[in-house]
Amino acid sequence: EVQLMESGGGLVQPAGSLRLSCAASGFTFRDHAMSWVRQAPGKGLEWVSSITYTGNTYYTESVKGRFSISRDNSKGTLSLQMDSLRAEDTALYYCAKVIKSNGWKIDYWGQGTLVTVSS
Amino acid sequence: QSALTQPASVSGSPGQSITISCTGTSSDVSGYDYVCWYQQHPGKAPKLMIYDVSNRPSGVSNRFSGSKSGSTASLTISGLQAEDEADYYCSSFSTSGTLVVFGGGTKLTVL
Repeated sequence: EVQLMESGGGLVQPAGSLRLSCAASGFTFRDHAMSWVRQAPGKGLEWVSSITYTGNTYYTESVKGRFSISRDNSKGTLSLQMDSLRAEDTALYYCAKVIKSNGWKIDYWGQGTLVTVSS
Repeated sequence: QSALTQPASVSGSPGQSITISCTGTSSDVSGYDYVCWYQQHPGKAPKLMIYDVSNRPSGVSNRFSGSKSGSTASLTISGLQAEDEADYYCSSFSTSGTLVVFGGGTKLTVL
């Protein structure tokens, strides 16, 4: 059974930093691209960042230069380093597994970790 | 404003069929057969219902079907059941600078 367990969320002041982690199990982690998707309170889904199984990274425009995605294939973990946080980054952040084919399609999601940026 | 356009809400009675539309552009929906549909119940994580426009993952009811015509993808749910009441999101691979784009979501109410 695929399991994705996020951690690291919390309350942080504007301009602060936070590091999210995702522990993956139930599939061969090193064979799959992974993504982070966020959902602001009461709002829709927004793609944030993705990383290929070889480590190539991609970001939505609003987080470029502030967020950094990484993975440790030996430990089965995905991370998102978030710096210079803004109020508009407040959201539930989901770790997501990408289907092993073209198109960056997500087939499994974690339960999410809440990030609140406020003074 | 979301990259893909969905109606904010749809409704139907038990047993009826409903269709949710998802309109994009040549950079996403019409350019690639990588449209997905997700179901999200309140307080829960999204669940994949359809991928590659019309494919159902194992375990998803055959009451759910997907299609695409030009820049508009559609999710049809037949034989509506109370448990289908949820938010539904479409997504697509995109070449417009964002790797993946989502629709704004559609709230399905089963009357």
